[in-house]
Amino acid sequence: EPEVTQTPSHQVTQMGQEVILRCVPISNHLYFYWYRQILGQKVEFLVSFYNNEISEKSEIFDDQFSVERPDGSNFTLKIRSTKLEDSAMYFCASGRDSNSGANVLTFGAGSRLTVL
Amino acid sequence: AQSVSQHNHHVILSEAASLELGCNYSYGGTVNLFWYVQYPGQHLQLLLKYFSGDPLVKGIKGFEAEFIKSKFSFNLRKPSVQWSDTAEYFCAVTTISSASKIIFGSGTRLSIRP
Repeated sequence: EPEVTQTPSHQVTQMGQEVILRCVPISNHLYFYWYRQILGQKVEFLVSFYNNEISEKSEIFDDQFSVERPDGSNFTLKIRSTKLEDSAMYFCASGRDSNSGANVLTFGAGSRLTVL
Repeated sequence: AQSVSQHNHHVILSEAASLELGCNYSYGGTVNLFWYVQYPGQHLQLLLKYFSGDPLVKGIKGFEAEFIKSKFSFNLRKPSVQWSDTAEYFCAVTTISSASKIIFGSGTRLSIRP
């Protein structure tokens, strides 16, 4: 069964450092997403991406965050200057279509980010 | 804004007990509903989904959920739980106005006593 793969599985970084989390979505999917889950809290939507541009983003996704699909296969989330509160599990997801909300997402295993 | 409420934060059951986890959403229009499961140390996996048609949907591992539009609910059920069902369960919704994102509930942690 096709999978969404994420790297790294765990990254520890110092506050203020830049972090890039990488995702390889399922090959025939067109819609890409980042979610995050702070320990003990709910899974929160960050951003959705389609046709090489952001289609929707949450209030969490401020100027410190960016996404891109540099080579047609990888989908990356960059945090420019990490803060302590960015510590969370970051999930990438991809979906084949978003017609009338009928988008079933496949999630990756997550990248755990720890900011010290 | 749309939201999803899961009122049970932690449910503890013995094996073979019946399970019902509550989920309510707030949105007046057409919705698509999901239950995801996250086993310890693993990623989110889709248990079942409702898009249209029969409001009683069956998913993997013996789970089912019933969409009751008048109650804005989508409760998850299983007649007889197993120790391997120990996990976190998330109800989620997408709407026509926001079809590109899934809104998750806060999750219910299910612990099964062997």
